[in-house]
Amino acid sequence: AAGVIQSPRHLIKEKRETATLKCYPIPRHDTVYWYQQGPGQDPQFLISFYEKMQSDKGSIPDRFSAQQFSDYHSELNMSSLELGDSALYFCASSGLSKGPIIYSSTDTQYFGPGTRLTVL
Amino acid sequence: SQQGEEDPQALSIQEGENATMNCSYKTSINNLQWYRQNSGRGLVHLILIRSNEREKHSGRLRVTLDTSKKSSSLLITASRAADTASYFCATDAENYGGSQGNLIFGKGTKLSVKP
Repeated sequence: AAGVIQSPRHLIKEKRETATLKCYPIPRHDTVYWYQQGPGQDPQFLISFYEKMQSDKGSIPDRFSAQQFSDYHSELNMSSLELGDSALYFCASSGLSKGPIIYSSTDTQYFGPGTRLTVL
Repeated sequence: SQQGEEDPQALSIQEGENATMNCSYKTSINNLQWYRQNSGRGLVHLILIRSNEREKHSGRLRVTLDTSKKSSSLLITASRAADTASYFCATDAENYGGSQGNLIFGKGTKLSVKP
């Protein structure tokens, strides 16, 4: 079965450079989540999109932005990179239950393999 | 701040033994999920238990949920060396911080199963 695809898998950047991470969700999943996991840390939620609109925002720095496109893939754009941005970046996707409360989510989130970003 | 707390932080057992990991959380939830992560790799979904369920099984995995105590446990029976990984619980806390849908992870338990 198709899983969540992330690219690139590894990325090395210098301080103050920019980076773009891509995520291709599982087909027919309409929600994408981005998480950041620092070394030895638990994953922290950054931002999510439902049907191409931002649905929630977590601890995402102002230097980062993201969007979801018409084909449901998502990109996380990171500017003015800092050493502390070195981490594993995960994308997850899910299919929301289409009930009266459209943002109600009780479905499983399936994670991609992650992009390992190293900022030198 | 963190929603889930897990204990123990690290657990070392012999192959064939059972491993139990616990997770506590702070607010009301819709569901609780357990994930496994091999070192530096992706998160693999193991099991989801909804707030109206008390116990769930999947193969060698058994998850319990006690919403009155805001806690969950993951039991791996007859452990194998391949079970060596970090295990995270994650809650989908609808009203936690106003967020909807995103997961809040615990710190994880690092399980080591020795052959």
